Amino acid sequence: EVQLVESGGGLVQPGRSLKLSCAASGFTFSNYYMAWVRQAPTKGLEWVASITNSGGSTYYRDSVKGRFTISRDNAKSTLYLQMDSLRSEDTATYYCTRDWPPGGFDYWGQGVMVTVSS
Amino acid sequence: DIQMTQSPASLSASLGETVTIECRASEDIYNGLAWYQQKPGKSPQLLIYNANSLHTGVPSRFSGSGSGTQYSLKINSLQSEDVASYFCQQYYDYPYTFGAGTKLELK
Repeated sequence: EVQLVESGGGLVQPGRSLKLSCAASGFTFSNYYMAWVRQAPTKGLEWVASITNSGGSTYYRDSVKGRFTISRDNAKSTLYLQMDSLRSEDTATYYCTRDWPPGGFDYWGQGVMVTVSS
Repeated sequence: DIQMTQSPASLSASLGETVTIECRASEDIYNGLAWYQQKPGKSPQLLIYNANSLHTGVPSRFSGSGSGTQYSLKINSLQSEDVASYFCQQYYDYPYTFGAGTKLELK
């Protein structure tokens, strides 16, 4: 059974950092692109970043470019999101997702809440 | 960036009714479109990929169609468990973008 379990969320002050982790199981992690998608309270979905299966290429939305870093450890089947210089507008539930080759995100974690507030 | 305009924002329908949700892309996305269902307090679930392919385990009352810039999700014979929010997403090009969502309620 495919499982994606996020951790590392919490309350953080503006300008500070936070690192999210996503432990994957039930599939060959190194075969899949992975991504982070976020959802602000009562709002829609917003793609944040993606990483290729080898980790050799990464993609970001403009609003997080230069502040967030997506990475992965295929030996540990774990996806990461390092978030620096956090802003109030980064407040959201962050979902770890598997990028399914035919298209779309076919598995999602339960989500982890990040609140940026003083 | 490719903009995804989804309509309607909310929809009220009766059990057994057929409902349609539309999504328009700001440019041709060559069927690189997915539909998701999200129930309150839950993670989204993939329903449709490549505009018209039903994801594994999704009931056949869900269907997707369209091409170019215009796409739609149809739910036949609405069931109570279909009450949820629905989102379209283009994955033709980065940055991936989602529609604003449609909240489906029972009348």
